[in-house]
Amino acid sequence: EDQVTQSPEALRLQEGESSSLNCSYTVSGLRGLFWYRQDPGKGPEFLFTLYSAGEEKEKERLKATLTKKESFLHITAPKPEDSATYLCAVRGSSYKLIFGSGTRLLVRP
Amino acid sequence: DVKVTQSSRYLVKRTGEKVFLECVQDMDHENMFWYRQDPGLGLRLIYFSYDVKMKEKGDIPEGYSVSREKKERFSLILESASTNQTSMYLCASSLEAQDTIYFGEGSWLTVV
Repeated sequence: EDQVTQSPEALRLQEGESSSLNCSYTVSGLRGLFWYRQDPGKGPEFLFTLYSAGEEKEKERLKATLTKKESFLHITAPKPEDSATYLCAVRGSSYKLIFGSGTRLLVRP
Repeated sequence: DVKVTQSSRYLVKRTGEKVFLECVQDMDHENMFWYRQDPGLGLRLIYFSYDVKMKEKGDIPEGYSVSREKKERFSLILESASTNQTSMYLCASSLEAQDTIYFGEGSWLTVV
């Protein structure tokens, strides 16, 4: 069965304190791993798509990496405006997206 | 920019009412989706559509129906709303089946 597990559930950082969020997955025939940011009361905002192990993508203070079993979202020198819930999702051979439960990130000034 | 618009952000309905949630996308996407998001349960797929007048059940279709008469518009219908359908509803779209899914801002539905 396709499955996505995100850790930690919640993460508190001081402004400028770099860290990483983890997304572990099991899927038959990976057809994409997706990262989204979700602010309270709003819909998920697309960040990155990764398709193959070794792939990396960057956007401002965020960098996403992918291996055959997991993905990391690295946050470098975060700012309070980076506070949000970060969702990971995978698509397997069924083309359906399987979402993780998310990591709630709080960055304190 | 990708734009998925959900016409109603906040709704309060009574038990037994028929409820329509409307969604419009302006990217000429083939696929459209309806999800609901609940604390502790994450995002769950209700229905999706891969073409006009075509629809497929997702993981939790019971109590819901959908309509796609035009490519850009996808409606979610609650035939007889119940309190356990109180939730945040998210519409999304993608160009092809394997492409990135883009979400709307969400519709908060409270059934009393």
